[in-house]
Amino acid sequence: DTGVSQDPRHKITKRGQNVTFRCDPISEHNRLYWYRQTLGQGPEFLTYFQNEAQLEKSRLLSDRFSAERPKGSFSTLEIQRTEQGDSAMYLCASSTRTGATYEQYFGPGTRLTVT
Amino acid sequence: DQQVKQNSPSLSVQEGRISILNCDYTNSMFDYFLWYKKYPAEGPTFLISISSIKDKNEDGRFTVFLNKSAKHLSLHIVPSQPGDSAVYFCAASARGGSQGNLIFGKGTKLSVKP
Repeated sequence: DTGVSQDPRHKITKRGQNVTFRCDPISEHNRLYWYRQTLGQGPEFLTYFQNEAQLEKSRLLSDRFSAERPKGSFSTLEIQRTEQGDSAMYLCASSTRTGATYEQYFGPGTRLTVT
Repeated sequence: DQQVKQNSPSLSVQEGRISILNCDYTNSMFDYFLWYKKYPAEGPTFLISISSIKDKNEDGRFTVFLNKSAKHLSLHIVPSQPGDSAVYFCAASARGGSQGNLIFGKGTKLSVKP
């Protein structure tokens, strides 16, 4: 299967701890996105990369959050000093240009629970 | 302020009948729209998209209609099958998605009864 993969699928952590999530995009996709989804809401955009360059960051991405895509392949999302409000599903997506548009394909997500 | 709205949290349809899911948007800069299906504990799965240069796009049992003047789009599923039961999200973007982020609605939970 060559879809988007995310690791881990579930993470339980205590408030104040740091956590890091990994995303492996579809291999030929040059764009990678991070979203967060909470119960009863649609996914909310956090940030995206084109190759290794981080091109856009949402105001939701506080200074406790950092994302990297060092070699333009996989990406990591780190949350420092986690808070209970960080509990959510963290989704990664990737895309490449198809004609004039970009269709984003999502991974299974990492569910974070902060206790 | 929500830029993409799905006003029906849930919809129940009989197997074999048509399912119609609706979505409204407010930002006139949006020119690219997508529908995703999501099962519990999985990521959203891309279903179908439409560019604002079209008013209809079909893919098998799925058809998306776009009414730009009303800032409204709908997803039709014909015939509906029990396996279609999931949460459906409408998403929108500007500049064909090249701007990066998708703006999602809150979703509509579709239940297809046998």
